[in-house]
Amino acid sequence: EAQVTQNPRYLITVTGKKLTVTCSQNMNHEYMSWYRQDPGLGLRQIYYSMNVEVTDKGDVPEGYKVSRKEKRNFPLILESPSPNQTSLYFCASSFGAGRAQYFGPGTRLTVL
Amino acid sequence: QQQVKQSPQSLIVQKGGISIINCAYENTAFDYFPWYQQFPGKGPALLIAIRPDVSEKKEGRFTISFNKSAKQFSLHIMDSQPGDSATYFCAADPRGTSGSRLTFGEGTQLTVNP
Repeated sequence: EAQVTQNPRYLITVTGKKLTVTCSQNMNHEYMSWYRQDPGLGLRQIYYSMNVEVTDKGDVPEGYKVSRKEKRNFPLILESPSPNQTSLYFCASSFGAGRAQYFGPGTRLTVL
Repeated sequence: QQQVKQSPQSLIVQKGGISIINCAYENTAFDYFPWYQQFPGKGPALLIAIRPDVSEKKEGRFTISFNKSAKQFSLHIMDSQPGDSATYFCAADPRGTSGSRLTFGEGTQLTVNP
């Protein structure tokens, strides 16, 4: 089954404790992105990647890091999480600009 | 600053009625306009999309109307059903980028009453 998977689905952590949210896709997509979803703001792009070892900032990159060492994986790293990073996070993949994006099931993160 | 403005924030429609959600954009570099549907606890899923070379696209009960001069586009759901109750997001993607830079609207929570 073609899909984007994310882990964990739910995470409660404390300020400053480094965490990683994993994302994997099995559709051989070149492009992968991370979004955060907040009420009243829709989804905002954090980082995106055009291919292995190629990443770029989206609209809200501050406080986040990403890496793309393999085509199928695109982890999101919060090195020192803060309460304003409490949000619902989605990973997505696609064949490129102007093409359908396939979203994962989401990771609900709470930073205390 | 939201580059894609969506309205209304919430919408209640009776079964069989027409649901209309509107979006407006400023950036003339946008050239791909998808709509995504999101059910509670799920990720958004592509519903229908349009490019600016056409003014309308229809897929089943879902229609996108596009007005390039006004920089507006809208989603019409005909014969709305309770199963259509979800959050709908419009989005826009600029041409000429090497990656997908989707900009989303704020979302519309649609409730279809039986």
